[in-house]
Amino acid sequence: DVKVTQSSRYLVKRTGEKVFLECVQDMDHENMFWYRQDPGLGLRLIYFSYDVKMKEKGDIPEGYSVSREKKERFSLILESASTNQTSMYLCASSLEKENTEAFFGQGTRLTVV
Amino acid sequence: GEDVEQSLFLSVREGDSSVINCTYTDSSSTYLYWYKQEPGAGLQLLTYIFSNMDMKQDQRLTVLLNKKDKHLSLRIADTQTGDSAIYFCAAGLSGGYQKVTFGIGTKLQVIP
Repeated sequence: DVKVTQSSRYLVKRTGEKVFLECVQDMDHENMFWYRQDPGLGLRLIYFSYDVKMKEKGDIPEGYSVSREKKERFSLILESASTNQTSMYLCASSLEKENTEAFFGQGTRLTVV
Repeated sequence: GEDVEQSLFLSVREGDSSVINCTYTDSSSTYLYWYKQEPGAGLQLLTYIFSNMDMKQDQRLTVLLNKKDKHLSLRIADTQTGDSAIYFCAAGLSGGYQKVTFGIGTKLQVIP
């Protein structure tokens, strides 16, 4: 069974903290993605990766960085969390570049206070 | 860039058909998707259609594509309370998910 697992369902962090959101997939997928989901804005792509140690900026990369040291793991890093980064964060993976389906994790709801 | 629009909310009675509509702006979009998000969960692909198709049917789901008007719809026959969720329309060019644009999601409420 296909699985994308995000390490936390809920997180509360303080402004200025460094925050790590972890995502692991067990499908040997090449591609991994981080989105944020906000009411009225849908899903917006933050960063994506097509291979180990490879990363590309999405539509809203400011304030974020990523790390992909192993194929199965893709981490989203908030270097200095701010209140406007309070959101639902969704990780996804897909098999190939032209693949027609992305598999999503259950989401991490991050609150920055 | 691509812009995908859909209404925010739809309410139907159990047993009726639901129709969720979506429009997109980029005529070169090749893949059109419908995803479902249940409360507290991630997105799950329901179905997709290629731009060279007009219709796709999968059990209770029917997807209609009007490429001329850049209009996509999802019809759910015999809607059940378990269909209550947020439905996302998405459009993408060939070349991977970094080129997929999602709509804001339509919340479907099914009234028993």
